[in-house]
Amino acid sequence: GAVVSQHPSWVICKSGTSVKIECRSLDFQATTMFWYRQFPKQSLMLMATSNEGSKATYEQGVEKDKFLINHASLTLSTLTVTSAHPEDSSFYICSANRRTGELFFGEGSRLTVL
Amino acid sequence: RKEVEQDPGPFNVPEGATVAFNCTYSNSASQSFFWYRQDCRKEPKLLMSVYSSGNEDGRFTAQLNRASQYISLLIRDSKLSDSATYLCVVLTSGTYKYIFGTGTRLKVLA
Repeated sequence: GAVVSQHPSWVICKSGTSVKIECRSLDFQATTMFWYRQFPKQSLMLMATSNEGSKATYEQGVEKDKFLINHASLTLSTLTVTSAHPEDSSFYICSANRRTGELFFGEGSRLTVL
Repeated sequence: RKEVEQDPGPFNVPEGATVAFNCTYSNSASQSFFWYRQDCRKEPKLLMSVYSSGNEDGRFTAQLNRASQYISLLIRDSKLSDSATYLCVVLTSGTYKYIFGTGTRLKVLA
């Protein structure tokens, strides 16, 4: 069964609205979670590393005020896409790693901004 | 040079064939290695970790060559359901970052 759960799977929203995506680790505590974006036929692109109880670390070129990350507990991280625009339409995926090092991914959230 | 490199493919192979993918990494401090499988429009799923001594899981065999800095994945007796993109992932100590290859696309043909 899934060890990392992501919600919602699909989101369609109007331009200018904000969308929140949740990522939960189901059977282990995750002090660190990762957020990725993937465009069609392209590789996963790391957006940011979410750290429990502290600020997220963003990759170069990713706007922290645009993509708000909150990691308030050891099992939950959220990504909020603020004032979404059509160019933000993408497949957003989270992941968390177990102590053994394996990385587990959420099911992904497909965002379509109209 | 990319930190983790894979041949993007596609590799088109007939059912029953044996196919092998390689993945090279540039950082000698890399400590852990994994193969993931990603189906179209889905999330990556862990296929297997790669151990120093090599490891096998059914039709899948993974190997690590630290001297030459590459890992490999061998798939025997390919099934149609093996068609997917195979991602090489490397965890680097120090920065504790997971670095992804671009993936190798496999198509198994009937």
